Amino acid sequence: QSALAQYASVSGSPGQSITISCTGTSSDVGGFDYVSWYQQHPGKAPKLMIYDVSTRPSGVSNRFSGSKSANTASLTISELQAEDEADYYCSSYTTSSTLVFGTGTRVSVL
Amino acid sequence: QVLLVESGGGLVKPGGSLRLSCAASGFTFSDYFMIWIRQAPGKGLEWISYIGGSGTDTNYADSVRGRVTISRDNAKNSLYLQMNSLRVEDTAVYYCARDGSNYSPDHWGQGTLVTVSS
Repeated sequence: QSALAQYASVSGSPGQSITISCTGTSSDVGGFDYVSWYQQHPGKAPKLMIYDVSTRPSGVSNRFSGSKSANTASLTISELQAEDEADYYCSSYTTSSTLVFGTGTRVSVL
Repeated sequence: QVLLVESGGGLVKPGGSLRLSCAASGFTFSDYFMIWIRQAPGKGLEWISYIGGSGTDTNYADSVRGRVTISRDNAKNSLYLQMNSLRVEDTAVYYCARDGSNYSPDHWGQGTLVTVSS
């Protein structure tokens, strides 16, 4: 199972919106609405930000939103803040009953 | 609150074995699938294995299948990962996580570092 494809880095200025994409296949992202997104700060454990494509867990800012079209899922961060600078990973359930993660995107706040 | 604490990591020689543990608290452990995920130094996340609440439903990534066994003791609220025939490429921080919904790890431990080196 190959990792889901993510751009290595994305940057934006405070207050701007950015979108991170996560591309898979019909065997994972395109086949299920079980896409999740995680935020990871250096030296810390990942934190769940979005699950089931677009659902935010309790306590996650509504500046984070998720969507999906065909084999590509997206995470949008609006009103970018310095604290959003981190690595972001997507994940998806697969037809092999496994979980596959994305390659990760480093978000920089300029 | 949900708390997951991994232990058992350390330095091991290639070909060696290690058993990781994850102590869970703050939720009804037997109600949840549990997951092991690893992250090699400077690399991304890699799903390793999951186990259902009763312990009968398990699956493994191809990279560890046949070398790793996941198990749980619901009476002790504990999750385990027995790793055999370890390779240098198994060097990583190993996280245990709770599957909150549809294969979405919603709570993670702090991780335990496994280093495979001669």
